[in-house]
Amino acid sequence: NAGVMQNPRHLVRRRGQEARLRCSPMKGHSHVYWYRQLPEEGLKFMVYLQKENIIDESGMPKERFSAEFPKEGPSILRIQQVVRGDSAAYFCASSPPELVVTQYFGPGTRLLVL
Amino acid sequence: AQSVTQLDSQVPVFEEAPVELRCNYSSSVSVYLFWYVQYPNQGLQLLLKYLSGSTLVKGINGFEAEFNKSQTSFHLRKPSVHISDTAEYFCAVSAPFGNEKLTFGTGTRLTIIP
Repeated sequence: NAGVMQNPRHLVRRRGQEARLRCSPMKGHSHVYWYRQLPEEGLKFMVYLQKENIIDESGMPKERFSAEFPKEGPSILRIQQVVRGDSAAYFCASSPPELVVTQYFGPGTRLLVL
Repeated sequence: AQSVTQLDSQVPVFEEAPVELRCNYSSSVSVYLFWYVQYPNQGLQLLLKYLSGSTLVKGINGFEAEFNKSQTSFHLRKPSVHISDTAEYFCAVSAPFGNEKLTFGTGTRLTIIP
């Protein structure tokens, strides 16, 4: 049973470009969470999604950030017009519907904005 | 809302010595508690969790933690550490029926000295 997959593992963007981060949850998991880890800090919750629904986006910046989890395919975290402050590690986690409380993390995408 | 405090940002320990990593939380409701480990440039791996029941929880790699409700603590312990335990350790909480999003502490960097 493959774990949570994230790609790319490393992403370099110039200021003003768009960044697309992908997350494929573990098989059978229908809940996806995105977290951001700034340098030398802990992880901060961004958004919680189920298939085709955003359940809680209270941690998402109001502008430039969006997330989706379509019926088919991976969850996508999209950052438009990136700025240097967006440089961070972005982690995705998934959980099964019968044990939502336990989250399994992917390896993360490290975004560097030049 | 919940919060987590990890009092020690760095803990150096000699190999084969015992270690305790401290975690205190604040919450107006009952909580679930977790410890995750992050090896360099990797994602988070679940060490152990407390959901209910026995306050002493055993996890992987020889770690254990004790939930103390009166002191709102969930300290992580290992009786004898190895070089391979060198990593960042994060304590996290979530609230039942609160969308299960995790609130993390700022982490403790455990360094094992040969």
